[in-house]
Formats: sequence, C-alpha cells, structure tokens
Amino acid sequence: QVQLQESGPGLVKPADTLSLTCTVSRVSIAIYYWTWIRQPPGKGLEWIGHIFYTGSANYNPSLKSRVSMSVDTSKNQFSLKLSSVTSADTAVYYCARRTIVQDAFDVWGQGTMVSVSS
Amino acid sequence: QSVLTQPPSASGTPGQRVTISCSGSSSNIGSKTVNWYQQLPGTAPKLLIYDNNQRPSGVPDRFSGSKSGTSASLAISGLQSEDEADYYCSAWDDSLNGFWVFGGGTKLTVL
Repeated sequence: QVQLQESGPGLVKPADTLSLTCTVSRVSIAIYYWTWIRQPPGKGLEWIGHIFYTGSANYNPSLKSRVSMSVDTSKNQFSLKLSSVTSADTAVYYCARRTIVQDAFDVWGQGTMVSVSS
Repeated sequence: QSVLTQPPSASGTPGQRVTISCSGSSSNIGSKTVNWYQQLPGTAPKLLIYDNNQRPSGVPDRFSGSKSGTSASLAISGLQSEDEADYYCSAWDDSLNGFWVFGGGTKLTVL
C-alpha cells in the first residue's frame, strides 16, 4: 500500500517561507507526478502544483510567483516552498500522487495543518 | 471563487438517489476528463470517480459519474449514512499554461 506522509512546521510567521516535505513509501518516486494541494479551514481544495521526478514542475498561476517544488529521488521525497506567507496561506496541506493512466490524484497523505501567525 | 461550480449542499434520505452537478467551461470540463473526490469529516479526500465515469477498485457501483459538454454530474444511488461527506469535482484547465481546478465542494447530508 503506497503511503505519503507530510512533515514540516505547523506554525510559520507572516512574510516567512513555508517549507514542507512529503515522504513516499512503497513506490518509487521516479514514476508519477507528485502534487501539493491545500485546504483552508472550512473551505475547498486548491491545487498548488505538481512535480515530475525529473524536476519538471507546474504551478497554480495564482501562486506561481511564491511557489517552488523539488524532488529528492535518493530519499524518495518531494518538497514544497511557499514564500512571503500571509494568514491566507493558513491551511491543511496535502501531498498526493497523480497517476498518468487515471490522470487523477489516487493516493493522498493525511495532511498537515500549517498556521501563519506571529 | 472556484473555477468549477458546485451547489454548496445536497441532501437525501437513506435509499434515495442524489445527484451533484459540476459546471465548468471549454478550457476544463469541456475538453478534459472530470474526477470526483469524497472527503469524509476530518480525513483526506479520496478518489471516487476518474475519467468522467470510471470507479477505482473498491468504490461501490452506487457511485457513478457522467459528463456532457461543460458540465458533469456525480450520482449516488441507494444513499447510505456513511455517504455523508463533502464531494469535489476536478479537471485540468488548459488556460494559463495549464493547472488543476476544483469545484467549491458539495456537502451531502443524509437525513
């Protein structure tokens, strides 16, 4: 059973950079697209972006100027950095796998809550 | 404001059939496949339907999806109490170099 686990600080100060890592278990990261999705409290889902194991990435146009993603194939991990955060970035952050065949997010991490506050 | 439009709520009694709509545009639903996700309270979303009407292994056939033009629908027949959840539609949008979009979500209440 493929597993994804998010990790990172639960509290980030305004204007700082939010950094999260997703550890992938029981499947090689060198196959699929790896995705970050977030959900503000009581609100809907927002796609942040995805990255292929080669390092090729696509980002949500609304976040593109503040987002960067990377992959570490040696650790089977991928990461998210979101700069200049504000309270609007407070959300549960999920990592997920996007399969090429189904073209959908078929495996999700449990999510990690990140609050932006001083 | 979500790119895809869903009704904020839906409801039904056990055994009933309910449908949830999802409206988009030519750059997303009109030209791409639609996926549906179920999010039970306090949990991560789960893939329910992919490629408009395909069910992943383990998803009951009570759940079905369809698409026509720039709209899609999720139907749940034989409604059960455990179906009470939030449901999200999603599709790739071809505008602005491409990005995934979601509906705002529909909260399904089983009365």
